Amino acid sequence: QVQLVESGGGVVQPGTSLRLSCAASGFIFSDYGMHWVRQAPGKGLEWVAFIWYDGSSKYYADSVRGRFTISRDSSKNTLYLEMNSLRVEDTAVYYCARAGSGGWYLVEYWGQGTLVTVSS
Amino acid sequence: QSALTQPASVSGSPGQSITISCTGTSSDVGAYKYVSWFQQHPGKAPKLMIYDVTNRPSGVSNRFSGSKSGNTASLTISGLQPEDEADYYCSSYTSSSSVIFGGGTKLTVL
Repeated sequence: QVQLVESGGGVVQPGTSLRLSCAASGFIFSDYGMHWVRQAPGKGLEWVAFIWYDGSSKYYADSVRGRFTISRDSSKNTLYLEMNSLRVEDTAVYYCARAGSGGWYLVEYWGQGTLVTVSS
Repeated sequence: QSALTQPASVSGSPGQSITISCTGTSSDVGAYKYVSWFQQHPGKAPKLMIYDVTNRPSGVSNRFSGSKSGNTASLTISGLQPEDEADYYCSSYTSSSSVIFGGGTKLTVL
């Protein structure tokens, strides 16, 4: 079965950087696009970024474009999110998710999330 | 881009049916048949319930159904059960090559 396990969250100060990882298993990682979606405490879901199955294209939400970078290493079955210039409003649980086979926009399977807290 | 508009809360009694609306624009919900619905229980990851407006993933109860008219999509849950109590979110593909979520709806089963 599809398993997605996020790691790398923690407490950081504003302006600093953090890298999240997502270990994927139970499917052919190199066949699927991958998403990052976040959820601030007590708030709704916010799509963050997407990367194509082969890494050839990447899409970002306006709120993170230029600060966050999504990447993948298919040899390690791992998805990454490099977060720079972190802001207090980036505080959230970050979910890694697999796209659907029928369309990249479909957020089909979700990990359990990792909490990022940006605070001084 | 603002989130899709959902009612903050809905409620119903066991056995009843409820409908949750999700209103967007002609650049997202109205433009594509790419609306999804997710169920999220407290402290848990979201779960896909409906995709491409009307399709149910394998294993999702047929009590859950989706539809769309113009810029508004809807999720209907029939035969409400206590375990349906959760937060529900819609999402849509957008013309900006992005994904947008709704603000979420808290379903209470009375």
